[in-house]
Parts: sequence; C-alpha cells; structure tokens
Amino acid sequence: GAGVSQSPSNKVTEKGKDVELRCDPISGHTALYWYRQSLGQGLEFLIYFQGNSAPDKSGLPSDRFSAERTGGSVSTLTIQRTQQEDSAVYLCASTLGGGEYEQYFGPGTRLTVT
Amino acid sequence: GENVEQHPSTLSVQEGDSAVIKCTYSDSASNYFPWYKQELGKRPQLIIDIRSNVGEKKDQRIAVTLNKTAKHFSLHITETQPEDSAVYFCAASPWGAQKLVFGQGTRLTINP
Repeated sequence: GAGVSQSPSNKVTEKGKDVELRCDPISGHTALYWYRQSLGQGLEFLIYFQGNSAPDKSGLPSDRFSAERTGGSVSTLTIQRTQQEDSAVYLCASTLGGGEYEQYFGPGTRLTVT
Repeated sequence: GENVEQHPSTLSVQEGDSAVIKCTYSDSASNYFPWYKQELGKRPQLIIDIRSNVGEKKDQRIAVTLNKTAKHFSLHITETQPEDSAVYFCAASPWGAQKLVFGQGTRLTINP
C-alpha cells in the first residue's frame, strides 16, 4: 500500500515568514511523529501524536513550532517567523501502534530559510 | 529522559570485512531498540530491531546484540558489501512511550 507522504518536498522561504509542512501517514496508523534532521546530523525528535491522547510536544525547540493532527490522520507542522537555523529536512513517520513500534518514514521536506 | 550515545561517528571497512557499531542508553526501562539505515538522500528504513527480553537477533548478514545490564546494544554486519555504505542510526524506546530517541548516527563506508 501507499507509504508515508510529505509535501512539499522542497520549500524555500524568506526569514520571518511562516511555513506549513504536511504529512500523510499510512492509513490505519495511530501514531505520527515529526523529526528534524540538519545536514549530516541525527534525527531530532520534535513531537508525536498517539490516537486521541494529548501530543508529546517535549521536543519542540521553541514556541514558533507547532503541530496538529486532524481527524487522527493528516498532520501539519507549522513554523512561524522562520529563522535560518530552521533550515533542515523535516521527516514525518507513522507507526501502527498497539505494541508495534516500527516507524515508517516519509521522504521528508527540505526547508531552506534565506 | 532517555539519552542514546552512538559510536563511532564514522567507520570505514574493506569489502568483505565485518563492521560493528555500538550504542549505549541511559534509561534502564527502555524496552525496544531498532536500527535504521539511511542511504544518501533517502529516508531512514528499519533494518533490524530487538526487544528487551531477547539478547541477540540475526537476519542474514546483520545481527544485533543487547546487554541490558550494561545498557548497551550493538549492530554487527558481516561480509560487508558496497551497498552497505550508508548512515546507521540506533534508537531506544523509553518504557511507556512509543517515541524513539535516536543516536547521532554512524557513517559507514565500505571500500572495494
């Protein structure tokens, strides 16, 4: 079946503008995660949603970052007043849940803040 | 919270030799330890995982070992091939949470 999809694949924005990144998880997956990966670096956890529970926002680096998940499916990561240090690849992943831990990653959105 | 350390950051081996990557974790309650492979420009993909009730798991040329007492786990790749060249990430899942805490990654290069 279809995997995790993300859009856009690339986004170039000017410093100070807001951006929205979208993630479509695998159908039926109950958990959804956002990570940030700077060039040549590891995977930095940002936020995760599990079913109808309150999201774990412990990884969000500042209050300029927020995310929502509508209807238990699609998620949007919003970055307000973008800064150059926000430039990175933003990866989304989803998990079936119910004791299944494997995370399936999307292709990522490469964000460049100029 | 959980903290995962991964070593080495880069590793270069001759084709056909073995490669070992090691990770340590801090939360003794963590119970799930996956390894992901990320090829250049691609998304991370799970290659093998192990749960805390198992000490070793093998899948063809890849094996993972877990030492719960010492809180470390390792990835072993035997008979390495050029297509094994990639960045490898270990991770640990804190008990009670389905999120993963990743190590910093190891860039593995297989020299022909």
